[in-house]
Amino acid sequence: DVKVTQSSRYLVKRTGEKVFLECVQDMDHENMFWYRQDPGLGLRLIYFSYDVKMKEKGDIPEGYSVSREKKERFSLILESASTNQTSMYLCASSLRRELFFGSGTQLSVL
Amino acid sequence: AQSVAQPEDQVNVAEGNPLTVKCTYSVSGNPYLFWYVQYPNRGLQFLLKYITGDNLVKGSYGFEAEFNKSQTSFHLKKPSALVSDSALYFCAVRVLGSGNTGKLIFGQGTTLQVKP
Repeated sequence: DVKVTQSSRYLVKRTGEKVFLECVQDMDHENMFWYRQDPGLGLRLIYFSYDVKMKEKGDIPEGYSVSREKKERFSLILESASTNQTSMYLCASSLRRELFFGSGTQLSVL
Repeated sequence: AQSVAQPEDQVNVAEGNPLTVKCTYSVSGNPYLFWYVQYPNRGLQFLLKYITGDNLVKGSYGFEAEFNKSQTSFHLKKPSALVSDSALYFCAVRVLGSGNTGKLIFGQGTTLQVKP
């Protein structure tokens, strides 16, 4: 079975902090994605990566950056967390057009 | 603009009755369409996909979906609902980014409530 692991299930941070969300997949997938999920808005793509050190902006990249130094790991970085970044963050990897998701990280920024 | 719409925030159905969760899409070219389900406090799980071929696609847990090109729809269906089907359902369409990398655009989600 494909496993996509997000390092934290719940995270509470303060405004202005630098936040790292980590995601690891164990199936050697080329593509990895970061989405945020908000009620009534569905999932919105923040960034994705199609290879090591390669990244592409999604629909809502402002306030975020990413890092992919190794194929299995894709990190989402909030440079200076703000309250409007309180959300559920979902990481995914893909093979043959199908996405496999992690369990999500619920981030609260106070 | 390429998009996916789920017109119903919530669908209520009695256990044993058929269910339909609606999805319409707007993309250029031939669509690749997906349904995912999310149970409370869990990530999304893949249910089924349409790439090409038969318009009726069968997936996990007894779900199926019907692709209708003329109506640009991909409705999720099940002949007999179970209480355990209660969850949040997402429709998605694959679009190509730069470098021909595929990404999924999701609808806003529909909560399915199945009552005993």
